[in-house]
Amino acid sequence: AQTVTQSQPEMSVQEAETVTLSCTYDTSESNYYLFWYKQPPSRQMILVIRQEAYKQQNATENRFSVNFQKAAKSFSLKISDSQLGDTAMYFCAFMKERGYGGATNKLIFGTGTLLAVQP
Amino acid sequence: GAGVSQSPRYKVAKRGQDVALRCDPISGHVSLFWYQQALGQGPEFLTYFQNEAQLDKSGLPSDRFFAERPEGSVSTLKIQRTQQEDSAVYLCASSLHVSGQGQPQHFGDGTRLSIL
Repeated sequence: AQTVTQSQPEMSVQEAETVTLSCTYDTSESNYYLFWYKQPPSRQMILVIRQEAYKQQNATENRFSVNFQKAAKSFSLKISDSQLGDTAMYFCAFMKERGYGGATNKLIFGTGTLLAVQP
Repeated sequence: GAGVSQSPRYKVAKRGQDVALRCDPISGHVSLFWYQQALGQGPEFLTYFQNEAQLDKSGLPSDRFFAERPEGSVSTLKIQRTQQEDSAVYLCASSLHVSGQGQPQHFGDGTRLSIL
């Protein structure tokens, strides 16, 4: 079974600075997908960034980038130029690649990191 | 619609009552997922629909939980004889195609269920 671990329950960063959120996972799969979702107090899960495991290049999305280390099973999120609106719970999530037999591509989430951006 | 819509946003019920939670996915989305999010935790998978077919219900915690999507669009999650441990946020998500190839799932705002 796959597991996702986020070892930082809470983090704080000053506005305009850079912060890195950690995520590790455990799987025996060779092909899979990794995601970072943001959940503000409004509760809606918002996709931040997505990484395909078979791509070596790290995904980037504006101020958000990842450091994907497949051998170490590590998938950290870097937020540059932090903004007040980045304050939220951040979840790392794993998804198997749909293979023969059509396994459900459910998301497996970590326990989250609460990020507070201070003015 | 523009996004995944869930109703009600809040639901309070007495222990033993039945509840029904509604999810209206993004128009045309084939795949629909239900997740349960306990306080301070990440969401956990409950069940998955491909159109009207419920292909995976492995995450439903007991036979008191039942989900349907009869016309392949709106879905309802029903919990019978509610218990206090059912208190959680229930999230619905949809994706455009048959679940696969790492498609992002689009989430609704969730229903916060409180059992007294």
